[in-house]
Amino acid sequence: GAGVSQSPSNKVTEKGKDVELRCDPISGHTALYWYRQSLGQGLEFLIYFQGNSAPDKSGLPSDRFSAERTGGSVSTLTIQRTQQEDSAVYLCASSRDRDGAYTFGSGTRLTVV
Amino acid sequence: GESVGLHLPTLSVQEGDNSIINCAYSNSASDYFIWYKQESGKGPQFIIDIRSNMDKRQGQRVTVLLNKTVKHLSLQIAATQPGDSAVYFCAENPKAGGTSYGKLTFGQGTILTVHP
Repeated sequence: GAGVSQSPSNKVTEKGKDVELRCDPISGHTALYWYRQSLGQGLEFLIYFQGNSAPDKSGLPSDRFSAERTGGSVSTLTIQRTQQEDSAVYLCASSRDRDGAYTFGSGTRLTVV
Repeated sequence: GESVGLHLPTLSVQEGDNSIINCAYSNSASDYFIWYKQESGKGPQFIIDIRSNMDKRQGQRVTVLLNKTVKHLSLQIAATQPGDSAVYFCAENPKAGGTSYGKLTFGQGTILTVHP
């Protein structure tokens, strides 16, 4: 597609429930990134996929967080047993290669109540 | 308990003034730098980039300056407009041993407010 698409744009969930956030990167971009942004804060790196290489999961805050990227394209970020501190905007970005500028999606605003 | 958030630096300017947003980066081996603009409710948007073999690059109303000696990056916006109000992030592509980490490191961000 023309840009990075994320869905849903907003998600409200009850504490303890699992959620899945989806990212559709720009076609042909080999690198895909997930970041988290709390209100008024900077960008917190979560995970990074590059081609067929093993993902860099060094930013995932706990084992409740996981992500996969199927067929080198669409990615899903899963948060299990959500907690209130998980409330944030989750941003996905893609780039043509690992050294390129990112194009970000509009994010998914997650609210855990 | 109560959480204390990080307060982003702020810059307030009058419409028509020039704005300068500064950023200190951390990795002396970084060879690629980018400025992003993030408006409320949106994802960060690419503004301009610069490679380490340059010290200045100009775009439309924006100029990025790179000082590798002191690891400093700045974004200059000419004739600032209310639509420039946003959070601005710098980013670097850090390297170790000549190899990219594969992910950008972002600065904390600066809030720019332009008053009409």
